[in-house]
Amino acid sequence: DTAVSQTPKYLVTQMGNDKSIKCEQNLGHDTMYWYKQDSKKFLKIMFSYNNKELIINETVPNRFSPKSPDKAHLNLHINSLELGDSAVYFCASEDRGAVEQYFGPGTRLTVT
Amino acid sequence: LAKTTQPISMDSYEGQEVNITCSHNNIATNDYITWYQQFPSQGPRFIIQGYKTKVTNEVASLFIPADRKSSTLSLPRVSLSDTAVYYCLVGDKSRGNTPLVFGKGTRLSVIA
Repeated sequence: DTAVSQTPKYLVTQMGNDKSIKCEQNLGHDTMYWYKQDSKKFLKIMFSYNNKELIINETVPNRFSPKSPDKAHLNLHINSLELGDSAVYFCASEDRGAVEQYFGPGTRLTVT
Repeated sequence: LAKTTQPISMDSYEGQEVNITCSHNNIATNDYITWYQQFPSQGPRFIIQGYKTKVTNEVASLFIPADRKSSTLSLPRVSLSDTAVYYCLVGDKSRGNTPLVFGKGTRLSVIA
């Protein structure tokens, strides 16, 4: 069974469109994250949620809005997509006090 | 957060032991050292974590000297499937769930 899943795996869209990426974890973890990995392979935190509450919101444009309907899901909605949004977006989850984070397979977003 | 420095890339032949060293001169007392592995088109995967001396699991060993200003990830008898990017991270887990701060990582290429 997949621990952390993301949909879609690939997303190609045009500038100005609005799109969403979904993430689900079946590990029972309390905390979920969104990371962005750009073309230079830097992996940076975007958001962190703990039990559906936003904990961390790094310097991310307002066009990005995370939503956590329950603690097993953390979705990422992006408005007015720009070329610079092209990247791979990873969702991750973690149990409180645990040693490791579990990452999803990533969503490759390409904005044309 | 303590900054980490790793070699950008390393090459190794199959069957050899690979040691990847990470420098973290500004490591704080409560910081742990964690290593992640990332294969192409996949999310990072936890390998090992340690605080001091030596930690060993079924995948790797982690050597941490007494001053903790560096650490060495040791991969025994690598195979082609160990070709990946390896990230060294330093952080304080005692503060609860925190996002991971990834550096550039070390790209390991295993050659037949």
